[in-house]
Amino acid sequence: EAGVVQSPRYKIIEKKQPVAFWCNPISGHNTLYWYLQNLGQGPELLIRYENEEAVDDSQLPKDRFSAERLKGVDSTLKIQPAELGDSAVYLCASSLGGGKSDTQYFGPGTRLTVL
Amino acid sequence: SQQGEEDPQALSIQEGENATMNCSYKTSINNLQWYRQNSGRGLVHLILIRSNEREKHSGRLRVTLDTSKKSSSLLITASRAADTASYFCATAPSGAQKLVFGQGTRLTINP
Repeated sequence: EAGVVQSPRYKIIEKKQPVAFWCNPISGHNTLYWYLQNLGQGPELLIRYENEEAVDDSQLPKDRFSAERLKGVDSTLKIQPAELGDSAVYLCASSLGGGKSDTQYFGPGTRLTVL
Repeated sequence: SQQGEEDPQALSIQEGENATMNCSYKTSINNLQWYRQNSGRGLVHLILIRSNEREKHSGRLRVTLDTSKKSSSLLITASRAADTASYFCATAPSGAQKLVFGQGTRLTINP
């Protein structure tokens, strides 16, 4: 069974440019998460989807970040415009869903560098 | 914000020795999970312990949970070089359907 797939693995952009990350969760997983991980820190949740509905986006900086999960499968996270402080690893994870914070399966992440 | 605090932040031991990492948290939880992250890669789930459990084993891993002290420990026995990684505890706060990760312990196993 394929795991969580993310692309690209690495992205280098100049500040003020837009950038987008893509995630394909494990087949059958209803819940999808986007995390941000700064160097030397643990992941921090940006947004959680239950199927196509964003049920927790309280930590998403909505002035520049947006996300969508059309059809409740793949998801895209966008930053526009990017700032220097956005340099980090962006992780996507999925789980079966149904609540009670079940096991999450992570993708390899996208390492973003903003110059 | 991160709820869990891992201790120590970094640990270096010889191959074959046991490694113990601790995690403390602040609020009541549904469960606590441990994840491993190798350099430059995604997180891998290791073990989940529910709030009504006190100890759990998986291979060379042993996890304990003390909800009265709001703390957990992860023990890796007979460490191997391949265990070199960062280890994170993640808590599932009661009433919240999410995980909150700590800052991790960087474990180095010296051959």
